[in-house]
Amino acid sequence: AQTVTQSQPEMSVQEAETVTLSCTYDTSESDYYLFWYKQPPSRQMILVIRQEAYKQQNATENRFSVNFQKAAKSFSLKISDSQLGDAAMYFCAYRGSGNTPLVFGKGTRLSVIA
Amino acid sequence: GAVVSQHPSRVICKSGTSVKIECRSLDFQATTMFWYRQFPKQSLMLMATSNEGSKATYEQGVEKDKFLINHASLTLSTLTVTSAHPEDSSFYICSAPRLAGFGSYNEQFFGPGTRLTVL
Repeated sequence: AQTVTQSQPEMSVQEAETVTLSCTYDTSESDYYLFWYKQPPSRQMILVIRQEAYKQQNATENRFSVNFQKAAKSFSLKISDSQLGDAAMYFCAYRGSGNTPLVFGKGTRLSVIA
Repeated sequence: GAVVSQHPSRVICKSGTSVKIECRSLDFQATTMFWYRQFPKQSLMLMATSNEGSKATYEQGVEKDKFLINHASLTLSTLTVTSAHPEDSSFYICSAPRLAGFGSYNEQFFGPGTRLTVL
């Protein structure tokens, strides 16, 4: 079975600074996807970024970028120029190929300090 | 982007009663929907996979007779919590993948969730 591990229950960052959230995963599949989701207090799940395992290039979405190390099964999220609105729970997630559900890590609560 | 709705957003019920939660894909057809449960300060845990026109697939430890799932149409899946008890109080979230073409990525869309409180 696939597992996703987030070892940082809480993180904090000063506004405008950069923070990196860690995630490791375990799988025997070769075709899969990795995600970072943001869950604000409203609890609506918001997709931050997606990485296809077959792509060597790290995904980026504006201030958000990932460091995908396939051999190490590591998938960290870097948030640059942190903003107060970035404060939320962040979940790392794994999904296999096809119509399969997501497997989530335990989450990291990010606080942004003004 | 595609939208998935859930109804109700919040429900309070007495112990022993049944509660039905609806999950709808508003602008696409979903042959599969997923139901997750999230306890306070915890992550999302998959409860079951809802398949249109066939029986749901439940994760280990989830009682299928307690959490009834019906996926009667391509846009609607319902989760009924039968004989609810306080320990069933949780946040229930559905998601639905929108099928793209062969070999393309099927993006999953989440509903806004339903907060269930059992007194």
